[in-house]
Amino acid sequence: AAGVIQSPRHLIKEKRETATLKCYPIPRHDTVYWYQQGPGQDPQFLISFYEKMQSDKGSIPDRFSAQQFSDYHSELNMSSLELGDSALYFCASSQTRTSVDEQFFGPGTRLTVL
Amino acid sequence: AQSVTQLDSHVSVSEGTPVLLRCNYSSSYSPSLFWYVQHPNKGLQLLLKYTSAATLVKGINGFEAEFKKSETSFHLTKPSAHMSDAAEYFCVVSEMDTGRRALTFGSGTRLQVQP
Repeated sequence: AAGVIQSPRHLIKEKRETATLKCYPIPRHDTVYWYQQGPGQDPQFLISFYEKMQSDKGSIPDRFSAQQFSDYHSELNMSSLELGDSALYFCASSQTRTSVDEQFFGPGTRLTVL
Repeated sequence: AQSVTQLDSHVSVSEGTPVLLRCNYSSSYSPSLFWYVQHPNKGLQLLLKYTSAATLVKGINGFEAEFKKSETSFHLTKPSAHMSDAAEYFCVVSEMDTGRRALTFGSGTRLQVQP
């Protein structure tokens, strides 16, 4: 069965650089969520999109932005990177109209900021 | 506001003995509750979910959890631990009634399985 795809799987950036993370949800899933998991931490919700509109916002810094495109894939754009942005970034998708909140997670993108 | 508290940050068991990972929740509405597992350097895999149907929920790999509203608990159990069960386990809540579908994770319990 198709799963959530995230790219790249690993990313190394310098401070103050920008990064773009991509997420491709499971086919026919209409909702995408982004989570950030710092070292030794639990995942924290950043932002979500339903049918290409922002549906909920968590602890996403102002330096970050995200969007969902017409093909339902999503991109998380991160600017002015800081050392503290080093984390594992998960994307999850769900079929909101029929699901009961079950979210399927991708393998994550590990971002390292030097 | 919704939250979950995982009562143990580390649990160590011997292979073949029972596993108990404890979770208490706090929710203003009828919660949906989940247990996810994360193996080292891996993504998050859903073990099981509770969504107001049967209070005893069976998941994958022999795990099950019981929703107890009177105790606001959703503890995860397994009769016999296997070495491959060693991982980080997260208790997770969402509040579908409020329309907020984002998941709130507990702080995690690291399960060690000794041979």
